[in-house]
Amino acid sequence: DGGITQSPKYLFRKEGQNVTLSCEQNLNHDAMYWYRQDPGQGLRLIYYSQIVNDFQKGDIAEGYSVSREKKESFPLTVTSAQKNPTAFYLCASSINSPHSGETQYFGPGTRLLVL
Amino acid sequence: AQTVTQSQPEMSVQEAETVTLSCTYDTSESDYYLFWYKQPPSRQMILVIRQEAYKQQNATENRFSVNFQKAAKSFSLKISDSQLGDAAMYFCAYRSANNNDMRFGAGTRLTVKP
Repeated sequence: DGGITQSPKYLFRKEGQNVTLSCEQNLNHDAMYWYRQDPGQGLRLIYYSQIVNDFQKGDIAEGYSVSREKKESFPLTVTSAQKNPTAFYLCASSINSPHSGETQYFGPGTRLLVL
Repeated sequence: AQTVTQSQPEMSVQEAETVTLSCTYDTSESDYYLFWYKQPPSRQMILVIRQEAYKQQNATENRFSVNFQKAAKSFSLKISDSQLGDAAMYFCAYRSANNNDMRFGAGTRLTVKP
């Protein structure tokens, strides 16, 4: 089955701790994205990557970091610098071709809670 | 920057009836794409329908159709013959044709009454 997987489903973070959210896709998509969703709000872009070993900041990148060492994987680290990390995190991927407007497909999400 | 506005935080519809969800957007671009996504209680984002701005014909997917008014920058979603399984949050999204930037509205919560 082709798709996007995110793990864990729930994640708890202690004060001052870095945590990493996993996102894997087997759709052979070039582009991958991380979004944050807060209650009553739409999705806000944290980071995105169009190709391996390249990524760009989105609107709310402060306190987050990413890597893109493999096409299939785009992990997101929530650092201790992110003072309000409690949210629902969604990973997405899409074919990356110019002027394609290709649809983004989403994973099931990770709920991050601060202890 | 482009913005997407969904002016209806909540909507309700009787089962088997029709409901229309509103979406407006602000852009100076002429080439772009518009989407409606559904987010059920499981929170998985599911694509409902997609519209290319250069196409005048409104997109349709079974019971879901859009009314795309490019000049008015309006992109409403019509759900016909509403079913209980349609209950969810619905998000309107805009994507530039020139980059991977996708902008989402704040969402409309749809309740379907039996």
